[in-house]
Amino acid sequence: GESVGLHLPTLSVQEGDNSIINCAYSNSASDYFIWYKQESGKGPQFIIDIRSNMDKRQGQRVTVLLNKTVKHLSLQIAATQPGDSAVYFCAENAANDYKLSFGAGTTVTVRA
Amino acid sequence: NAGVMQNPRHLVRRRGQEARLRCSPMKGHSHVYWYRQLPEEGLKFMVYLQKENIIDESGMPKERFSAEFPKEGPSILRIQQVVRGDSAAYFCASSPMPRNTEAFFGQGTRLTVV
Repeated sequence: GESVGLHLPTLSVQEGDNSIINCAYSNSASDYFIWYKQESGKGPQFIIDIRSNMDKRQGQRVTVLLNKTVKHLSLQIAATQPGDSAVYFCAENAANDYKLSFGAGTTVTVRA
Repeated sequence: NAGVMQNPRHLVRRRGQEARLRCSPMKGHSHVYWYRQLPEEGLKFMVYLQKENIIDESGMPKERFSAEFPKEGPSILRIQQVVRGDSAAYFCASSPMPRNTEAFFGQGTRLTVV
């Protein structure tokens, strides 16, 4: 399953399929990006991060891709599992800034 | 090593009362950030503090809201004379360095104003 276009609020994916969650950012000064997972009633949980000197970074079952030319970030989850159901947020951090700026989030629902 | 601890997890206040939200950062972390999350929205930055200092409060409303991070004890986010619009989840994050990188979030305090 894939959230097409710049960003969709929901994504439904079949268990076992790959998921792609997209995020657009606006600040060309951002040089650090993080993906968070937030389950209902809980705080954001760090998934993976990437710095602007990279265009791809892989973790366990997750890959983050960064396209600075079009200011686009994506999170790929391999072999999506029911436990992956959550809201996923991208966040950006600009150089010389302290805070994170969060996107609106994408709700991922995994179908059995 | 305990994570970021926030309490209370849930707080109900009547309009006009005061709300105090507490955040104990991870051990060894001296940088604390507060964020607010309205229903169905992403987190919005409120304030960044180091021990005994407010570094950036650009996201915090000018009135009724204040934050502190004393030398000893947790960071406190204080909301005076709460209104219904203050109902939200308030999250605290801590990090070992100035930029909010490698920051770990607490479970949040869900404030309901009735």
